[in-house]
Amino acid sequence: NAGVTQTPKFRVLKTGQSMTLLCAQDMNHEYMYWYRQDPGMGLRLIHYSVGEGTTAKGEAPDGYNVSRLKKQNFLLGLESAAPSQTSVYFCASSRTVGRTEAFFGQGTRLTVV
Amino acid sequence: GQQVMQIPQYQHVQEGEDFTTYCNSSTTLSNIQWYKQRPGGHPVFLIQLVKSGEVKKQKRLTFQFGEAKKNSSLHITATQTTDVGTYFCAGRSNQFYFGTGTSLTVIP
Repeated sequence: NAGVTQTPKFRVLKTGQSMTLLCAQDMNHEYMYWYRQDPGMGLRLIHYSVGEGTTAKGEAPDGYNVSRLKKQNFLLGLESAAPSQTSVYFCASSRTVGRTEAFFGQGTRLTVV
Repeated sequence: GQQVMQIPQYQHVQEGEDFTTYCNSSTTLSNIQWYKQRPGGHPVFLIQLVKSGEVKKQKRLTFQFGEAKKNSSLHITATQTTDVGTYFCAGRSNQFYFGTGTSLTVIP
């Protein structure tokens, strides 16, 4: 009964380093999302996917890339990390967009120094 | 920019007092969802409202969807320390947006 699993849970990067955040869901959901959460800003959508092999930009896509090679996985990449990308990242999945509940992962706390 | 705004951003209440957070959209929403995020945790779905003027209750929590489907509210009666957390609304128009959230602190 895993739901949505994110790895890693914590990470510290130096400016300019790259990394990939992995999100896996076992609910056979078509839709997957990456959000970042900053104090006072709520949840901002970075990228989302409406199905295997598809991705689209959200409201805050700059500096990030994503891939959805398998239906159950959604990867978020940072090619050259910047301090402005210090944030808590949440992955979520849902059966439909906004009509059914979204299930969130536990979050990844990323610090870029 | 942010399509769904919530007020207040922060709220401190004494245990036993009531609490209300308001969610406002610039566009008409087809439905609205509410989530709760405990400190250090992740958002968890609470409820969904679909109909204009709809009111739903979950124990001490009352959710309302405005007649024009542009606003919503969450009211908690007689807060308890277990109510601590950030409450988000999320609305769907042409896209699906989360509100800015209201952080609730309950003082014992």
